[in-house]
Amino acid sequence: QVQLQESGPGLVKPSQTLSLTCTVSGASINSGNYYWNWIRQPAGKGLEYIGRIYTSGSTNYNPSLKSRVTMSVDTSKNHFSLKLSSVTAADTAVYYCATEGYNYYYMDVWGKGTTVIVSS
Amino acid sequence: DIQMTQSPSSLSASVGDRVTITCRASQNIRNYLNWYQQKPGKAPKILIYGASSLESGVPSRFSGSGSGTDFTLTISSLQPDDFATYYCQQSYSNPRTFGQGTKVEIK
Repeated sequence: QVQLQESGPGLVKPSQTLSLTCTVSGASINSGNYYWNWIRQPAGKGLEYIGRIYTSGSTNYNPSLKSRVTMSVDTSKNHFSLKLSSVTAADTAVYYCATEGYNYYYMDVWGKGTTVIVSS
Repeated sequence: DIQMTQSPSSLSASVGDRVTITCRASQNIRNYLNWYQQKPGKAPKILIYGASSLESGVPSRFSGSGSGTDFTLTISSLQPDDFATYYCQQSYSNPRTFGQGTKVEIK
C-alpha cells in the first residue's frame, strides 16, 4: 500500500523559492510503476496541476508554471521534490503529491497535503 | 492545454435524490476522464477512472459515462456521506487538467 507524505516550510517569503518533499512509503520510487505528481489548491478554489516526474527524471510541467518549477527524484531517500521559484501571494495554497500509475491514467494515491503561505 | 468545464458549479440536493454532474472537454479525450471526490480539509479521492470504471471500494451508486468530449457523473441515490465537491480530470495529455469543481450541498 503506497503512502505519501508532504513536508516543507509552511511559510515562504515573496520572491523566494518554495521547496517541498513528498516521502514515499510502501513502494520504491525506483520501481518504474508510477509517475510522481504535484497538485495545488488555493483556499476555497479548485485543483491546479503543477506537473509530474518519472523515475528516469523525465518531467511534464504545467506551461503556466514551467518557468518557475523544478522537480526531482531522490532514490536514496525514496522521495521526490518540488521547487517553485520567485513565489508571490498567488502561490499560497495546499500542495498535494499524488501517484499516477505508469500503466493506468488516474491519480489513485494522494498525500494529505501541506499548506504553504507566501508572506513577508 | 485541454480545458475541462464542469456544470453546474454547485447544486443543492436532498438525501435520496439522483444527482448528475457534467464535464466537457475542449477537445476529444476519448475515455481518458476521471472523477474525484473531495471533502473539506481532505485530499481528493478517485471515484471513477476511464470515464466509467468504478474504483475499488467506491459505492455502486456512483457511475460515470461518456466519451469524446462529454461526460457525466451520476449519483443514483444521494447519501449523507456524498456531500462534497466533485472534480473531473483529463488524463489524455499533459498537462493533466481539472474541471473547476461541483459542490454538492444539502438542500
